Amino acid sequence: SQTIHQWPATLVQPVGSPLSLECTVEGTSNPNLYWYRQAAGRGLQLLFYSVGIGQISSEVPQNLSASRPQDRQFILSSKKLLLSDSGFYLCAWSKTVPEAFFGQGTRLTVV
Amino acid sequence: RKEVEQDPGPFNVPEGATVAFNCTYSNSASQSFFWYRQDCRKEPKLLMSVYSSGNEDGRFTAQLNRASQYISLLIRDSKLSDSATYLCVVSRLRSSNTGKLIFGQGTTLQVKP
Repeated sequence: SQTIHQWPATLVQPVGSPLSLECTVEGTSNPNLYWYRQAAGRGLQLLFYSVGIGQISSEVPQNLSASRPQDRQFILSSKKLLLSDSGFYLCAWSKTVPEAFFGQGTRLTVV
Repeated sequence: RKEVEQDPGPFNVPEGATVAFNCTYSNSASQSFFWYRQDCRKEPKLLMSVYSSGNEDGRFTAQLNRASQYISLLIRDSKLSDSATYLCVVSRLRSSNTGKLIFGQGTTLQVKP
């Protein structure tokens, strides 16, 4: 069966520090991968999606970037965090059917 | 205008009540539709897909009206455990190879004893 791992679960970072969140999927190949952000009391905002290694689509201009160095690995990064980057970051995958399956999320607080 | 719109609620209902959530989407090219459930501080999980003919899963019934670009979720005989946020989701293309999910902001349901 397929599983998705996302870490860390919680993170507190100072403004201006770098960020790296990692997501890996097991049990499938060539999945579609997604990064979403959910601000407090808000809906999920699609940040990036990827249909293959090195293929990244950005949905909104922002302080973040994404990379897919391996088929089942998706990384969300920032060189310098802003206060507004705080939120709940969720990685998800999908395959032959369009519904997505989510990791447990990373709760990021920028202080 | 948001691509997927929901009434954020909250909906406060007693146990046993029937409650209905509505959702509208703006992009007529949307092809696939879902309801997800999200518990507090947890990741969203798929509740059910929504088909043009309507579909039912136990106490939950989902319906789609493509002409009106409207999706609904009906919960009968509400349980305390149904308390959560319900997210309306659309996917723009049939093939997941180029599709992506667009989420509404969610409708919060609180079922009270």
